[in-house]
Amino acid sequence: QVQLQESGPGLVKPSETLSLTCSVSGGSTSRYYWTWIRQPPGKGLQWIGYISDRAGTNYNPSLKSRVTISIDTSKDQFSLRLSSVTAADTAVYYCARVGYFSDSSAFAFDFWGQGTMVTVSS
Amino acid sequence: IQMTQSPSSLSASVGDRVSITCRASQGISNSVAWYQQKPGKAPNLLLYAASRLESGVPSRFSGSGSGTDYTLTISSLQPEDFATYYCQQYYSTPWTFGQGTKVEIK
Repeated sequence: QVQLQESGPGLVKPSETLSLTCSVSGGSTSRYYWTWIRQPPGKGLQWIGYISDRAGTNYNPSLKSRVTISIDTSKDQFSLRLSSVTAADTAVYYCARVGYFSDSSAFAFDFWGQGTMVTVSS
Repeated sequence: IQMTQSPSSLSASVGDRVSITCRASQGISNSVAWYQQKPGKAPNLLLYAASRLESGVPSRFSGSGSGTDYTLTISSLQPEDFATYYCQQYYSTPWTFGQGTKVEIK
């Protein structure tokens, strides 16, 4: 069973950079895409971006200028950096695997981390 | 692509049949997934490709639709089904979610 675990600071100061790492166990980061999703308190889900096992990336245009996702397949980890944060970036951040379902050429987020709350405040 | 879910919340009783709809701002060729989220937990994948049940998900959950309109149906609501449900399109990036439907106990 694939398991994901987010780690990183729970408090980030405004204008600084949020950095999170997702560690994958029970499986390899190879041959899959991996993604970050966030959820502000009491609100819905926002897709941040994804990275392939070969480090190809795709970011949400609304965050693209501030986001970097990287991967270290040797450690089965991938990371998120979000620069110049404001209070609007306060959210639970989830990492997830992008599953590919060959029966229907479908993609979906099939394994998720438990989420980590990041608060932006001075 | 904007995903508009309705209703935003509903109250239902155990055993009720419940339907949640999601309308995409353009055709998405069945490229929709549905997730269930319970308070304080990560979302859990229920269906993909509009109607394909993820492994381990009870058969009381089903999905249908085409073009721009998609529906998640719970045939007989169980106590563990009270949660918030989200649709999500993967037809094109940026992948987007509906705003969620909270299913509450009547």
